[in-house]
Amino acid sequence: EPEVTQTPSHQVTQMGQEVILRCVPISNHLYFYWYRQILGQKVEFLVSFYNNEISEKSEIFDDQFSVERPDGSNFTLKIRSTKLEDSAMYFCASSERAGSQPQHFGDGTRLSIL
Amino acid sequence: RKEVEQDPGPFNVPEGATVAFNCTYSNSASQSFFWYRQDCRKEPKLLMSVYSSGNEDGRFTAQLNRASQYISLLIRDSKLSDSATYLCVVISTGTASKLTFGTGTRLQVTL
Repeated sequence: EPEVTQTPSHQVTQMGQEVILRCVPISNHLYFYWYRQILGQKVEFLVSFYNNEISEKSEIFDDQFSVERPDGSNFTLKIRSTKLEDSAMYFCASSERAGSQPQHFGDGTRLSIL
Repeated sequence: RKEVEQDPGPFNVPEGATVAFNCTYSNSASQSFFWYRQDCRKEPKLLMSVYSSGNEDGRFTAQLNRASQYISLLIRDSKLSDSATYLCVVISTGTASKLTFGTGTRLQVTL
């Protein structure tokens, strides 16, 4: 069964450093998403991306965050200057279409900011 | 009021038991509903979509009550492998793509 893959599985970074999380969505999917889950809390939406542009973003997704699809397969989340509170699991997801179409999640990148 | 509200549990049930979870949502414009399961420190995995007429997938039955704005999940003949956190997830009209998650209900199935 096709799946969403994410790298790295665990990233440890010093506060203030830039970090890039990588995702390869399912190949025939057109919609891509990033979510995060702080330990012990619920999964929170960050951003959705379609046709090479952001279609929706949450309040969490401020100027420190950016997303990019640099080639035909990768989808990246960049955090420019990390803060302690950015420590969380970051999940990439993709779906064939928007709306009622279920989203399929990668197994996540655990980001630890020191 | 939280957008999607669930009883966090835990629900401790013996193997073979039937267990039901409820979830309420605050946005009456919500249009799509799902149950995901999440194992400890893993990604959410789609369990089933929830349709207005109710739907069943093996031992799992999902129901939607739009008037009362609640969704339910029934698990029959619980297995040890059903132990996980069950996430109620909603998409609202106007947010074509954003999944809104509840905090989840933890289920522990025991021998």
